Amino acid sequence: NAGVTQTPKFQVLKTGQSMTLQCAQDMNHEYMSWYRQDPGMGLRLIHYSVGAGITDQGEVPNGYNVSRSTTEDFPLRLLSAAPSQTSVYFCASSYSTAGINNEQFFGPGTRLTVL
Amino acid sequence: KQEVTQIPAALSVPEGENLVLNCSFTDSAIYNLQWFRQDPGKGLTSLLLIQSSQREQTSGRLNASLDKSSGRSTLYIAASQPGDSATYLCAVRPNDYKLSFGAGTTVTVRA
Repeated sequence: NAGVTQTPKFQVLKTGQSMTLQCAQDMNHEYMSWYRQDPGMGLRLIHYSVGAGITDQGEVPNGYNVSRSTTEDFPLRLLSAAPSQTSVYFCASSYSTAGINNEQFFGPGTRLTVL
Repeated sequence: KQEVTQIPAALSVPEGENLVLNCSFTDSAIYNLQWFRQDPGKGLTSLLLIQSSQREQTSGRLNASLDKSSGRSTLYIAASQPGDSATYLCAVRPNDYKLSFGAGTTVTVRA
């Protein structure tokens, strides 16, 4: 298993540009989520999904869109990039949200700079 | 809102010493607690997951305890090695889908 994969690893954008951060997992996990990590702020939840076709907002959703058309993929879209979105973005997944199979696994991250 | 605190923010110990990392949380109505390791510029690696009904979990040199009533978890790393140098993050999952993270403890083990 490749686990949780993210592309690209690094990205530089200009203010106002849009882009999609890709996240995929091959573990048949139902639950997927996106976090951003900023110095002094820790990790904060952006959006999450409990299954294909179901998404919901986390703590800091403004400026981001998500969709979940398949179990494997959970892309994060930046609609109009702003310097405040400069951060490291992590995708995570778990088999379920209940029971014992709710350990979260993280991808390697995407480092985004918005100029 | 769940607040997760990790103290100390940084820790430096000589090789061989036991490490004790603390995590506290404000709302005891949690579903589970997970400890992660993060190396510089890398992603998060899951170390231990403790369900709310458990008191501790062990994996090799690592042992994590959970006291829900007092809102505390402690990660013990026995006989530390330079390879244990990293940032350790504690994350609490309340009774919904949203993990709440602490800011982490950065550990340096001196050879």
